[in-house]
Amino acid sequence: KAGVTQTPRYLIKTRGQQVTLSCSPISGHRSVSWYQQTPGQGLQFLFEYFSETQRNKGNFPGRFSGRQFSNSRSEMNVSTLELGDSALYLCASSFQGGSGANVLTFGAGSRLTVL
Amino acid sequence: DQQVKQNSPSLSVQEGRISILNCDYTNSMFDYFLWYKKYPAEGPTFLISISSIKDKNEDGRFTVFLNKSAKHLSLHIVPSQPGDSAVYFCAASAVFFGNEKLTFGTGTRLTIIP
Repeated sequence: KAGVTQTPRYLIKTRGQQVTLSCSPISGHRSVSWYQQTPGQGLQFLFEYFSETQRNKGNFPGRFSGRQFSNSRSEMNVSTLELGDSALYLCASSFQGGSGANVLTFGAGSRLTVL
Repeated sequence: DQQVKQNSPSLSVQEGRISILNCDYTNSMFDYFLWYKKYPAEGPTFLISISSIKDKNEDGRFTVFLNKSAKHLSLHIVPSQPGDSAVYFCAASAVFFGNEKLTFGTGTRLTIIP
């Protein structure tokens, strides 16, 4: 079956712009989580959506937002981009949510560079 | 506050030897621990997990050990192979406000030397 698909894979933006990233989960998976990966910080949790509702949220400013559609596809948006937002943004899906019993399947990520 | 810590950013091991990756945590509410492996230009993939009620779980060349009293877990890879060269993330799962949440460590880059 198809894996988790993230688009675009690479993008370059300038400070102050906004960006939207897309994630298509594995068919049948209802939970979609977003993570930010930066060198030295590991994977920082952004938020999780389940059945179109935000179920969990990490410690990121309000410039980071997301949504989930009825087909479980998800988007995340970052407004007023800052240089520090340069990172790999990873989307992961699971049937119920990330836990020991419901492991996450990650996409390849969207590499955002802010100039 | 980093609740899951991987204090070694990198580790180099000779092919055929044992690789030991370590992870420490601070929250005693974590009930599951997982290891993910990440190659460049790919997303992390699940490797192995362990429940907090166990102290060891083995899957082929990979074994995870959990020491709850020390709040420490380790991943052993025996024997190490060149394909094991990757970044390894430790993760811990707990229920917060009714929802399960995964917390990841900062990762350890493992390099297997042929």
